[in-house]
Amino acid sequence: SQTIHQWPATLVQPVGSPLSLECTVEGTSNPNLYWYRQAAGRGLQLLFYSVGIGQISSEVPQNLSASRPQDRQFILSSKKLLLSDSGFYLCAWGQQGPGYTFGSGTRLTVV
Amino acid sequence: AQSVTQPDIHITVSEGASLELRCNYSYGATPYLFWYVQSPGQGLQLLLKYFSGDTLVQGIKGFEAEFKRSQSSFNLRKPSVHWSDAAEYFCAVASASGSARQLTFGSGTQLTVLP
Repeated sequence: SQTIHQWPATLVQPVGSPLSLECTVEGTSNPNLYWYRQAAGRGLQLLFYSVGIGQISSEVPQNLSASRPQDRQFILSSKKLLLSDSGFYLCAWGQQGPGYTFGSGTRLTVV
Repeated sequence: AQSVTQPDIHITVSEGASLELRCNYSYGATPYLFWYVQSPGQGLQLLLKYFSGDTLVQGIKGFEAEFKRSQSSFNLRKPSVHWSDAAEYFCAVASASGSARQLTFGSGTQLTVLP
């Protein structure tokens, strides 16, 4: 069966520090991969999605970037975090049919 | 472009009472519709989905939803709410075009269950 792993679960980082969040999927090949952010009191905002290795589509211009170095690995990064980057980050995967399966999320607090 | 509206930001019900969460969508063709639930600090779990066929769909945890094309709605219902149902609920719509840019989410409805 397919599983999605996201880590770390919780992260506290100072302003100006770098960020790297990792998401991996098991049990499937060539998935579509997604990064969402959920800010306090707000809905889900699609940040990036990828349909294959090295293919990244950005939905919202911001302080973040994404990479897909391997088929089942999706990384969210930042060179210098801002206070406004705090939030709950969710990775998800999908394939032929519509609908996603979500990871358990990473709670990022920038201090 | 597709969009989803969840008009109720927060709903409070008593345990054992019935529940209906509203969802309205905007999409030019027959949409794919979803309801997800999110417990605090957790990811989203799929409750149910509608693709075609019977407009009343059954999901996990005793939830059901009814697709009403004339009203562009996909409301979520449960006949008797349990305290463990307290969570945030998201409605989502996907296009049938097969684009990877698939799901559009509503802003969510926070459900509180009173003992």
